[in-house]
Amino acid sequence: AQKVTQAQTEISVVEKEDVTLDCVYETRDTTYYLFWYKQPPSGELVFLIRRNSFDEQNEISGRYSWNFQKSTSSFNFTITASQVVDSAVYFCALSRGEAGTALIFGKGTTLSVSS
Amino acid sequence: DTGVSQNPRHKITKRGQNVTFRCDPISEHNRLYWYRQTLGQGPEFLTYFQNEAQLEKSRLLSDRFSAERPKGSFSTLEIQRTEQGDSAMYLCASSLGNQETQYFGPGTRLLVL
Repeated sequence: AQKVTQAQTEISVVEKEDVTLDCVYETRDTTYYLFWYKQPPSGELVFLIRRNSFDEQNEISGRYSWNFQKSTSSFNFTITASQVVDSAVYFCALSRGEAGTALIFGKGTTLSVSS
Repeated sequence: DTGVSQNPRHKITKRGQNVTFRCDPISEHNRLYWYRQTLGQGPEFLTYFQNEAQLEKSRLLSDRFSAERPKGSFSTLEIQRTEQGDSAMYLCASSLGNQETQYFGPGTRLLVL
């Protein structure tokens, strides 16, 4: 069965601190996709990144970076120099390979950044 | 390029009433998905369409739930005989095709009294 675990329920940091959000997944598919979404207080899920199972290259986008390691089934997300506007719930998600495209979400990590 | 839109944004109803939600996907997106999110949880998949065909339904989608996408454009999700346990955020997403990124709408927050 597929599963996504975000062990950190809540994280609080002070502005300018770096923070890493952990994501561990389980799947038997050889082809799959991993995602991160941000859900600010307004409620709308905002797409951040997509990674397929064959691409283990790390990615950096501004203050955001992602570390994908198939060996440990992890897809961690780091925010560098956090800002108050980063405060939100962050979800890691997994989509199945050939069988379908329903996203399986973790329970989310609530990030609070104070000034 | 407008995003996914959902109406209404909020709905309060009494137990036993029927409710219907609408989702308008991003133009030209042929896949449309419905998810449900309860407080403190991640979204859970309900069903998805490719064009007008409903290709998959989750076990979460009880007989009281029905979804349609009659012309392959907008979709409706109806809940009959609502129960308090149906209170949740109902999210719609769309994608250009299989394995493409899903983009979400703002959701419809349902409260069943």
